[in-house]
Parts: sequence; C-alpha cells; structure tokens
Amino acid sequence: AQTVTQSQPEMSVQEAETVTLSCTYDTSESDYYLFWYKQPPSRQMILVIRQEAYKQQNATENRFSVNFQKAAKSFSLKISDSQLGDAAMYFCAFMDSNYQLIWGAGTKLIIKP
Amino acid sequence: EPEVTQTPSHQVTQMGQEVILRCVPISNHLYFYWYRQILGQKVEFLVSFYNNEISEKSEIFDDQFSVERPDGSNFTLKIRSTKLEDSAMYFCASTQSDGYEQYFGPGTRLTVT
Repeated sequence: AQTVTQSQPEMSVQEAETVTLSCTYDTSESDYYLFWYKQPPSRQMILVIRQEAYKQQNATENRFSVNFQKAAKSFSLKISDSQLGDAAMYFCAFMDSNYQLIWGAGTKLIIKP
Repeated sequence: EPEVTQTPSHQVTQMGQEVILRCVPISNHLYFYWYRQILGQKVEFLVSFYNNEISEKSEIFDDQFSVERPDGSNFTLKIRSTKLEDSAMYFCASTQSDGYEQYFGPGTRLTVT
C-alpha cells in the first residue's frame, strides 16, 4: 500500500526567509502524481503545486518550488520569501493509479514576523 | 474563478440520524470525490464518482454511506445512521480529468452527539 510521510509536525521560519518542508512516499508504481496542498485556519484545502512523476523537471509556482527525487521517493516543498499569509498546514499527497489522493499527516508552518 | 461549494458549513446531528452533505462541483468537471478529515488526523479518501457511478471506494465507505448526483449540478454524500466516530470535516473535490489537480470545497464540519 502506498504511504506518505511528513516527518516535520511543525516548522517555523522568519518572514522573508526560505523554508523547506519534507515529504517521502512509498509506492511500487512508476507513473503517478504528487501534490502539495495548503490548509489555512479556514480549513479550505488549496492546491499549491503539482508534479508528474514522469517529468524530471521540478515544478515551480512563483515562490513555491519542489525538489522531486524519484529514486529516493522524496518530494520536498521550498517556500521562498516567506510571507505571513503562508502560515497554514501543508499536506503532501500522492495520487495513485486509481486517482485517489493519499495524504501525509501534515506540517504546520509558522511564520515569525 | 469557478469554485467548489459545500453546504452546510457545519452540521450537528444526533447519533443514529441520517445526514446529507451537499456539494456543487465546478461545472465542467467530470470526476467527483469525497474525503474526510477527523480532527488532528490525516485526510482520508472515501469515494470517487464518475459517469453517474462509483469508481472507487475505501474501506471507510461502508453500507452506511452513499453518494448521488441527483441533478446536473449537485453531488451528495449521505450517512444513513450516524455514529460518534463520523464526526469529522468532510471535503468534496472535483476535477476535469483523472490525474489532474482536484479542487476542494471549503468542507462541512459534521458533529455527531
């Protein structure tokens, strides 16, 4: 069975600094998708970034980028120039061949002003 | 920008009662999902729905649960006889196509007393 592990329950970063959230996953599949979702206190789940496993190039969305290491089954999220509005729970999710999302436990990101 | 909507935002019900959670997916989306998140725990997949039938369902989605798309816009999750352990945040999601990012609604907080 596929699993997703986020080993950092909580991370804090100074405003304007860079932070990296880690995620590892376990699967025997070769073709899949990976996502990072953000959940602010409002509880709305918001897509941050998406990565196709067949693409070697790391996905980037403005201040958000990933470091996708397929062989290591690692999918970390880097947030540059952290802003107060980035404070939220961040979830790493794996999409399996049945197109179900399998979720990590989440990392709470705190931004220090 | 199109968005997934869910009603109600909060539902309180007594154990043994039936509840219906409602979702309006994005209009041109074809695939629909329900997830739940028990407070402090991982998000869990419940069911996926395509072409008016269930595509996949998890072990959680037992006979107490059912889904329906009664018209061209609504997508509902029914819990026939609620239990205390059904208390959770329930998220609806939709997507245009398998493998694409799933767009989430704001969730319905279900409290079973």
